[in-house]
Amino acid sequence: ELKVEQNPLFLSMQEGKNYTIYCNYSTTSDRLYWYRQDPGKSLESLFVLLSNGAVKQEGRLMASLDTKARLSTLHITAAVHDLSATYFCAVDIWGADGLTFGKGTHLIIQP
Amino acid sequence: GAVVSQHPSWVICKSGTSVKIECRSLDFQATTMFWYRQFPKQSLMLMATSNEGSKATYEQGVEKDKFLINHASLTLSTLTVTSAHPEDSSFYICSARSVEAFFGQGTRLTVV
Repeated sequence: ELKVEQNPLFLSMQEGKNYTIYCNYSTTSDRLYWYRQDPGKSLESLFVLLSNGAVKQEGRLMASLDTKARLSTLHITAAVHDLSATYFCAVDIWGADGLTFGKGTHLIIQP
Repeated sequence: GAVVSQHPSWVICKSGTSVKIECRSLDFQATTMFWYRQFPKQSLMLMATSNEGSKATYEQGVEKDKFLINHASLTLSTLTVTSAHPEDSSFYICSARSVEAFFGQGTRLTVV
């Protein structure tokens, strides 16, 4: 059974600081996704990581993938309040049904 | 990117009634769609896989007679919550894959 572990589950940080969210998974995957979810809303796709060593950046967010370690990270640089949300990683395995999600990281960025 | 449209975005129904939620892939054909459920402050849990032209595949613990799935075309899947009860109140989200996975806007179901 595929397991996806995300940590931390809750993070409160100040604006301007840097931090990293970690996503470990238990078996070989084909794709790893990062999503953002605002309260009451559906998922917003942030990144799709396909291969070992993949690194993608969008604004203050950067995601990376190490398939050998089965680890992905989402790094936040110089956080701003607008980035407050819940962030999920999800693993996709070819032939499997649906994505397997981590528990999510509830991120609060305080002025 | 590809768009998945889900309707309604919210619904309130009386206990014992049925509710239908639609999920459409707007610019690609999806032979497979997925239905997830999300309770407050929790992650998404896969309920079932909807297969065009055949029966849905349900995850363990999901009642197939309660959550009826129909995937009659390559762009439409429906989830019907039958005889809804307050414990069925949740956020239901559909997903479809083209090259990557895309999600609908979600449906907030409240059963009173």
